[in-house]
Amino acid sequence: GQNIDQPTEMTATEGAIVQINCTYQTSGFNGLFWYQQHAGEAPTFLSYNVLDGLEEKGRFSSFLSRSKGYSYLLLKELQMKDSASYLCAVIDSNYQLIWGAGTKLIIKP
Amino acid sequence: GAVVSQHPSWVICKSGTSVKIECRSLDFQATTMFWYRQFPKQSLMLMATSNEGSKATYEQGVEKDKFLINHASLTLSTLTVTSAHPEDSSFYICSAPQGQMNTQYFGPGTRLTVL
Repeated sequence: GQNIDQPTEMTATEGAIVQINCTYQTSGFNGLFWYQQHAGEAPTFLSYNVLDGLEEKGRFSSFLSRSKGYSYLLLKELQMKDSASYLCAVIDSNYQLIWGAGTKLIIKP
Repeated sequence: GAVVSQHPSWVICKSGTSVKIECRSLDFQATTMFWYRQFPKQSLMLMATSNEGSKATYEQGVEKDKFLINHASLTLSTLTVTSAHPEDSSFYICSAPQGQMNTQYFGPGTRLTVL
């Protein structure tokens, strides 16, 4: 079966760095997305990785290792507004989007 | 990024009535749109794939006669919840893929409360 694993919840301190991991087992691979979802709102696009390596975009970076079926989202200089759920999603060989359950990130002052 | 709108943002209705939710891609065309449902503190659940000019594809366990989907044009898909019941109360979100990566752009969501 297809499976995406993310930690359910993480806590970090304002100004610090946090890494949210995502591992996947899917039928094929055509890319991995990270989305941010604030409570009561729809998800918003953060990043897309299809090749191995690190993609940096401001305070957020996303890493992919296809051989390990592994990705992480790195958030630097955490701000209170970064408190949200972070969703990992993989496109499989049939171009179906498989969603993880999301990681709730709690930022403390 | 691409913009997707949804209407209404929230709706409260009586049990047994039908509710229509619209999803529009504002600055791009979408032959495919996706409808999701999200219960509080739970992950997104794909309900169906809406295809312009053809029938929608429903996920297992989703009643196609209860959740009617119409993709009438390249920029509009509608979801009608027929004979709504309190257990249908949820956050309904649509998305449309855009660009080479088929990045999913989400509408703002519709919060449905059935009394």
